[in-house]
Amino acid sequence: GAVVSQHPSWVICKSGTSVKIECRSLDFQATTMFWYRQFPKQSLMLMATSNEGSKATYEQGVEKDKFLINHASLTLSTLTVTSAHPEDSSFYICSATLGQGRGYTFGSGTRLTVV
Amino acid sequence: GENVEQHPSTLSVQEGDSAVIKCTYSDSASNYFPWYKQELGKRPQLIIDIRSNVGEKKDQRIAVTLNKTAKHFSLHITETQPEDSAVYFCAASISNFGNEKLTFGTGTRLTIIP
Repeated sequence: GAVVSQHPSWVICKSGTSVKIECRSLDFQATTMFWYRQFPKQSLMLMATSNEGSKATYEQGVEKDKFLINHASLTLSTLTVTSAHPEDSSFYICSATLGQGRGYTFGSGTRLTVV
Repeated sequence: GENVEQHPSTLSVQEGDSAVIKCTYSDSASNYFPWYKQELGKRPQLIIDIRSNVGEKKDQRIAVTLNKTAKHFSLHITETQPEDSAVYFCAASISNFGNEKLTFGTGTRLTIIP
């Protein structure tokens, strides 16, 4: 149980275009989702916290106009990388809290390559 | 905000020996400390976790200890096997109703030498 499905698993896009990444909770309602970015050989860095029905909370240094997060339902959160540039190439992973201190579940990640 | 430091960044251990990875955290309010194993290009996988009301937890070859006073926690892997080779991350969060933001350590690349 508690599965988060993330798509696409990998994407290659041209510089200047936008890319949307989806995370769906399959068998539970995810009130809160987290979006992480992981550069090669580095840790997972939290980008933003996404709450259903409200605006996302972004971490310091993350451009909210560049990384658009939408959490319109209890089962779907999306991250759109707008006007992507090569430096945005990274591994993006979503995570959902299971609530009441039951830990977290992670999506399978999206490898974004901007050329 | 929370800051989690992790050491060592790389660790090589002979197969069958033990491996220890240590983390420190800054926010005394943190009360949930998971450890994740991540293989290249994959999602982090929870291997063990501990809450602040417990000092030690063990699951077969894996154990975690927590010292709340010193704000540090450690992962212990005994009888290491080649399949234990991976990157390990510690993390910390303040588990409450609502925002349970998880902060990760910098990671340890563990290599088991056959």
